[in-house]
Amino acid sequence: DTGVSQDPRHKITKRGQNVTFRCDPISEHNRLYWYRQTLGQGPEFLTYFQNEAQLEKSRLLSDRFSAERPKGSFSTLEIQRTEQGDSAMYLCASSAETGKAFFGQGTRLTVV
Amino acid sequence: ELKVEQNPLFLSMQEGKNYTIYCNYSTTSDRLYWYRQDPGKSLESLFVLLSNGAVKQEGRLMASLDTKARLSTLHITAAVHDLSATYFCAVAWGAQKLVFGQGTRLTINP
Repeated sequence: DTGVSQDPRHKITKRGQNVTFRCDPISEHNRLYWYRQTLGQGPEFLTYFQNEAQLEKSRLLSDRFSAERPKGSFSTLEIQRTEQGDSAMYLCASSAETGKAFFGQGTRLTVV
Repeated sequence: ELKVEQNPLFLSMQEGKNYTIYCNYSTTSDRLYWYRQDPGKSLESLFVLLSNGAVKQEGRLMASLDTKARLSTLHITAAVHDLSATYFCAVAWGAQKLVFGQGTRLTINP
């Protein structure tokens, strides 16, 4: 499978715990994006990497959120001290320099 | 700030009928995308529209773009049940992100 891969697909965590999600983009894509989607809404942009550099972060990304792409390949998104409002689908996408974005299957986070 | 609005948000229609979903956006952009999302699944790319007057067609779906009016349409011809899904338009903002509409939940009844 050469698409965008995300892990885990589902995560249930208790409020206050830390969680980390992983995204493996399409191998030749240098751009990687994280989006968040809540029920009944369109995806909202969180952050963007070009290679290993994080070039833009949304105001939605509070201090509890951090994303990395250490070698310009896979990326991780960590949420510290999770809150119930963090419950959402977290989508990763990748693209080539000027191409369309391909989305992964997403990680559904439930904070209880 | 770029705003993207879709209408209608909910659409229930009968098989065999035609209908159009509208996507308005507030600021000039050079790319507009249409995506399909099935319940619990990720986003499937349908169309990329790059220029004024662009028209793309795939099966029963046709998308068009009017950059002067900042309007895109997704037209469904002779709908079939398999097209039931949520459809999103997304507008490129800067070089690196997409701003999505709220989505149109389409239900096609036999």
